[in-house]
Amino acid sequence: KAGVTQTPRYLIKTRGQQVTLSCSPISGHRSVSWYQQTPGQGLQFLFEYFSETQRNKGNFPGRFSGRQFSNSRSEMNVSTLELGDSALYLCASQTTGSGEKLFFGSGTQLSVL
Amino acid sequence: AQSVTQLDSQVPVFEEAPVELRCNYSSSVSVYLFWYVQYPNQGLQLLLKYLSGSTLVKGINGFEAEFNKSQTSFHLRKPSVHISDTAEYFCAVSNRDDKIIFGKGTRLHILP
Repeated sequence: KAGVTQTPRYLIKTRGQQVTLSCSPISGHRSVSWYQQTPGQGLQFLFEYFSETQRNKGNFPGRFSGRQFSNSRSEMNVSTLELGDSALYLCASQTTGSGEKLFFGSGTQLSVL
Repeated sequence: AQSVTQLDSQVPVFEEAPVELRCNYSSSVSVYLFWYVQYPNQGLQLLLKYLSGSTLVKGINGFEAEFNKSQTSFHLRKPSVHISDTAEYFCAVSNRDDKIIFGKGTRLHILP
């Protein structure tokens, strides 16, 4: 069974641009969560999608958005990039939630110049 | 809302010595608790989890953790560490059907 796949692996953008990150969950997993990881801050929860609906949301500005497609693949979009958005963005999938373990991808390393 | 505090950002320990990584949580309802490990340049993987039942939970790679409700703690322990345990460890908490919140992580440095 293939794991969680995130593309691209690395991304370099400049301030003001927008970016779209992609995540393909493990086959059969309906929940996809996104996290931002920065040194010293650990993992901060962005949002979770379940069956194409946003089920949970973290405390990030509206520049951060996401969506989930009928095949459970998910995309995350960041508009008007800021230097502080430089981070490792991790996607994780699980079958339904409620105490199940998360399966993480290797992440997309975003650098904003 | 729930939150997680990992009390140590870095823990150095000699190889074959025991280690304890500390985690405290806050939540107004019953929680699920997790420890994840992140090796360099990789995503996170689950070490162990507590949902209910026995308060002592055993995980992979010889790690175990004890749920202490009165102290709202879920400390991770290993009796003898190896160089391969060098990684960052994250404690996490969630309520039923709620998001999983992670702590800021503890870097475990194994000294030869």
